[in-house]
Amino acid sequence: KQEVTQIPAALSVPEGENLVLNCSFTDSAIYNLQWFRQDPGKGLTSLLLIQSSQREQTSGRLNASLDKSSGRSTLYIAASQPGDSATYLCAAPNDYKLSFGAGTTVTVRA
Amino acid sequence: EAQVTQNPRYLITVTGKKLTVTCSQNMNHEYMSWYRQDPGLGLRQIYYSMNVEVTDKGDVPEGYKVSRKEKRNFPLILESPSPNQTSLYFCASSFPGDTQYFGPGTRLTVL
Repeated sequence: KQEVTQIPAALSVPEGENLVLNCSFTDSAIYNLQWFRQDPGKGLTSLLLIQSSQREQTSGRLNASLDKSSGRSTLYIAASQPGDSATYLCAAPNDYKLSFGAGTTVTVRA
Repeated sequence: EAQVTQNPRYLITVTGKKLTVTCSQNMNHEYMSWYRQDPGLGLRQIYYSMNVEVTDKGDVPEGYKVSRKEKRNFPLILESPSPNQTSLYFCASSFPGDTQYFGPGTRLTVL
């Protein structure tokens, strides 16, 4: 069974600071890893999908890296803004199932 | 607009009264899945479907049923709901191995 862990559970930073969110997974035989954003009471929005053949993926201020051998992925958010305040979840597959981490709740202070 | 829709969005029911939560996607995705989200437990997969008439259990399937008779629809059935099934439910769809698209969620309360 794929176990996904996210550290830290919560993070509070001043506006403009760079964010580093960590995700670790136990089964390295993954074909991709996804990062999502969830606002309170809302659904999940996909941020980045990294295929197993890729080392990183970028979208605007977001950059996600993947190291399968060590079972780790990191999401970097550059120059954080108050609108980045949300919970960020990573998800790793195990065959056709998908396991989620508990998330990192980010607060960006203006 | 590409989307996953769920109905109802909110539901309050009583123990033992059968209910169905519908999920529909308009992206021709083969893969569909149901999750529940609970405080402190995160998102857990209930059932998933690889295609029409192909379904399999996730990590927490007890007390739930699904069916996939059409590619676009993947209803979640609770035949005898109990209070421990009070939760926030999400449906998602994707092409195999690709980005998952989530519905807006259904908040279910079982009294």
